[in-house]
Amino acid sequence: DSGVTQTPKHLITATGQRVTLRCSPRSGDLSVYWYQQSLDQGLQFLIQYYNGEERAKGNILERFSAQQFPDLHSELNLSSLELGDSALYFCASSVASAVQNEQFFGPGTRLTVL
Amino acid sequence: GESVGLHLPTLSVQEGDNSIINCAYSNSASDYFIWYKQESGKGPQFIIDIRSNMDKRQGQRVTVLLNKTVKHLSLQIAATQPGDSAVYFCAENRGSRGQNFVFGPGTRLSVLP
Repeated sequence: DSGVTQTPKHLITATGQRVTLRCSPRSGDLSVYWYQQSLDQGLQFLIQYYNGEERAKGNILERFSAQQFPDLHSELNLSSLELGDSALYFCASSVASAVQNEQFFGPGTRLTVL
Repeated sequence: GESVGLHLPTLSVQEGDNSIINCAYSNSASDYFIWYKQESGKGPQFIIDIRSNMDKRQGQRVTVLLNKTVKHLSLQIAATQPGDSAVYFCAENRGSRGQNFVFGPGTRLSVLP
């Protein structure tokens, strides 16, 4: 158990809908990262937050947004969902924002868009 | 658990043998690399990292080799055990300011009894 929790574990929704994925980092970690893992594109970095502020951006679509709250939990919002958004979404956390800080991954949320 | 990447390249090794997993990266400016292990139904787990100013780093039973000339990274696992069965990913950091990790497609390691 990495100490990172993600809810829900599974989510099934329809095209065009909007969903919110939630992540609680390890106790004491200030950085949160979101990743998408799909069969065709593999694991992709989406976005990083550090202590409530956006720190780095990867391949995140404009239909997707995230935020980190004062209690350091984070939410990833996915809107206007398409079939291709079906994937595993992982959250990770690290103690600080440096690239070399080890990231601890949660168990993931499996999103299925029908 | 659910499988990721059902059609990944697979490396099968006998228990007790050494394993070598390879990864080619594309950006010569990448300055930091990580190997991750992902077991079925779980998130990736950090194994070992290496900076671009090094060519070798050793951990417990694992060694990472970096060849910047040919942009190649390898992970060596000594005395492979059944618990090493998983998908292994390399990741390169392409961010000039902060993180922008790009992940390889992964290799499935299968340990035979």
